[in-house]
Amino acid sequence: QSALTQPPSVSGSPGQSVTISCTGTSNDVGTYNRVSWYQQPPGTAPKLVLYEVSNRPSGVPDRFSGSKSGNTASLTISGLQAEDEADYYCSSYTSSSTYVFGTGTKVTVL
Amino acid sequence: EVQLVESGGGLVQPGRSLRLSCAASGFSFDDYAMHWVRQPPGKGLEWVSGISWNGGSIGYADSVKGRFTISRDNARNSLYLQMNSLRAEDTALYYCAKDGYGGSWYGGNWFDPWGQGTLVTVSS
Repeated sequence: QSALTQPPSVSGSPGQSVTISCTGTSNDVGTYNRVSWYQQPPGTAPKLVLYEVSNRPSGVPDRFSGSKSGNTASLTISGLQAEDEADYYCSSYTSSSTYVFGTGTKVTVL
Repeated sequence: EVQLVESGGGLVQPGRSLRLSCAASGFSFDDYAMHWVRQPPGKGLEWVSGISWNGGSIGYADSVKGRFTISRDNARNSLYLQMNSLRAEDTALYYCAKDGYGGSWYGGNWFDPWGQGTLVTVSS
């Protein structure tokens, strides 16, 4: 199972919006609506920021939103803040009864 | 507050074995599936294994199938990963994660929260 494809890096100034794509196949993202996203600041454990494509856990700001179209899911961070600087990973269940993560995207706040 | 604390990592020679543990607290451990996820130094995340609430259903990544065994002890609120025939490519920070949905590990769930991880280094 190959990792889902994410851009290596995205950047934006404070207040701007950035979008991270997560491209899979019909064997994972394209079939299952349980795509989740994780935020990992340097030296820390991953933290869930979105589940089931677009649902936010309690405590996650509504600046974080998600969507999916076909084999590609997306995470958008609106009103970018310095504290959003981190690595972000998507994840999906697969038709092989396993889970696959994305390649990871480094978000830089300029 | 949910807490997951991994232990058991260390330096091990190729071909040897290691057993990781994850102590859980702050939730009804026997209501939830659990997972192991690993992250090689400087690299991305890889799902390793998942186990249902009662241990009756288990899944593994192809990369560890036949070498790793996941188990749990609900009486001790603990999750384990027995790692045999270790290879250099198994070197990683191993995270324990609670299933965010419920008692089954499969079907497309999410991982929430995660422990801080325990580092496994396979080297001669």
